[in-house]
Amino acid sequence: DAGITQSPRYKITETGRQVTLMCHQTWSHSYMFWYRQDLGHGLRLIYYSAAADITDKGEVPDGYVVSRSKTENFPLTLESATRSQTSVYFCASRFAPGLYNEQFFGPGTRLTVL
Amino acid sequence: KNEVEQSPQNLTAQEGEFITINCSYSVGISALHWLQQHPGGGIVSLFMLSSGKKKHGRLIATINIQEKHSSLHITASHPRDSAVYICAVPPFGNEKLTFGTGTRLTIIP
Repeated sequence: DAGITQSPRYKITETGRQVTLMCHQTWSHSYMFWYRQDLGHGLRLIYYSAAADITDKGEVPDGYVVSRSKTENFPLTLESATRSQTSVYFCASRFAPGLYNEQFFGPGTRLTVL
Repeated sequence: KNEVEQSPQNLTAQEGEFITINCSYSVGISALHWLQQHPGGGIVSLFMLSSGKKKHGRLIATINIQEKHSSLHITASHPRDSAVYICAVPPFGNEKLTFGTGTRLTIIP
């Protein structure tokens, strides 16, 4: 399917486990982003990537790891999940640098850490 | 203090009413984004604007760069407009967006 997809859509895990959230886009967009959304906060940037093999920290990177070996994939790994990482995670992509390019969002992954 | 402030946080209105959602920001920007988050969670981009006004159907977005303020208006509101509306700005020289906490709009039939 064309567009940006995330998997899984829902995940329940336990404290201390490693979890990987997948993000895949079919547009060959250069920029990809991972956000978390929590009550009382706006979307907060975890990590972003300007191109394959180029990643950088966002506002709340602690406890997360990303990689981007291929342009179309941008997985987010929680190395040792904590309850504070219970959240809804959104992946997004944008075609190119430039403030006027639309940002497209994936459907989100709801993660619960018990 | 959040760089992006939205008001109101929650808004309930009757079908047909004219709706206004406000966004104020504290950083210098060259463009502002309005997003809509559906009850199911999906987020879509509504507008990107850097000056003046943009219109799409019953939605109108305005921005005043000097006053660091933008408004989103909905005319002839309908229950299907019920959603969370989010304002986002990219500070100058920054590719990353800073988001407001959103305005939850509920339109009652």
